[in-house]
Amino acid sequence: AQKITQTQPGMFVQEKEAVTLDCTYDTSDPSYGLFWYKQPSSGEMIFLIYQGSYDQQNATEGRYSLNFQKARKSANLVISASQLGDSAMYFCAMREPNSGNTPLVFGKGTRLSVIA
Amino acid sequence: DVKVTQSSRYLVKRTGEKVFLECVQDMDHENMFWYRQDPGLGLRLIYFSYDVKMKEKGDIPEGYSVSREKKERFSLILESASTNQTSMYLCASSRGLAETQYFGPGTRLLVL
Repeated sequence: AQKITQTQPGMFVQEKEAVTLDCTYDTSDPSYGLFWYKQPSSGEMIFLIYQGSYDQQNATEGRYSLNFQKARKSANLVISASQLGDSAMYFCAMREPNSGNTPLVFGKGTRLSVIA
Repeated sequence: DVKVTQSSRYLVKRTGEKVFLECVQDMDHENMFWYRQDPGLGLRLIYFSYDVKMKEKGDIPEGYSVSREKKERFSLILESASTNQTSMYLCASSRGLAETQYFGPGTRLLVL
């Protein structure tokens, strides 16, 4: 079974509007962390935001916020006031530190296109 | 700022050639990773290394080998390149094995 599922292969959003990118995860470990990365057309993966499973508050970082719903095992990325420069691939990833020496597991990504 | 560099942004090689992809990080990170990225498949882990001279297979190690002789440098080797190894290759490093990974700019490899 996939550990990280991103169900939206592609999304469109109008400039200045908010958009939510979905991410669901599968783990039985009570301690885990979730990451979001952005990959522009240049190719480099850029770390955006992190949410720990024990964090009391949803993570925020500028225009990025994480809608963390633990019971539903979802960690959706919300981008407010979309800009043309937000057009990119977005990847959700998870770490399970108590599951042995395993690195991050990535989802397959969502391509976001921001329309002027 | 963490900086991860890769030796080439674009590379064109012939089938059967030996190919070296180099990755260097400047943050004294213990862990380094090689991924390949293909449309619709996301990132797939090829190999990772948690210390000098130590390596672990990832999800798709077949056809690849790696070398980590120095902490800051992690090399991916295609012993005999094949057309199905045409892909984007991404290197990353992290302090802890499951901590935030910082990526290089990627190498787009075309094998003809």
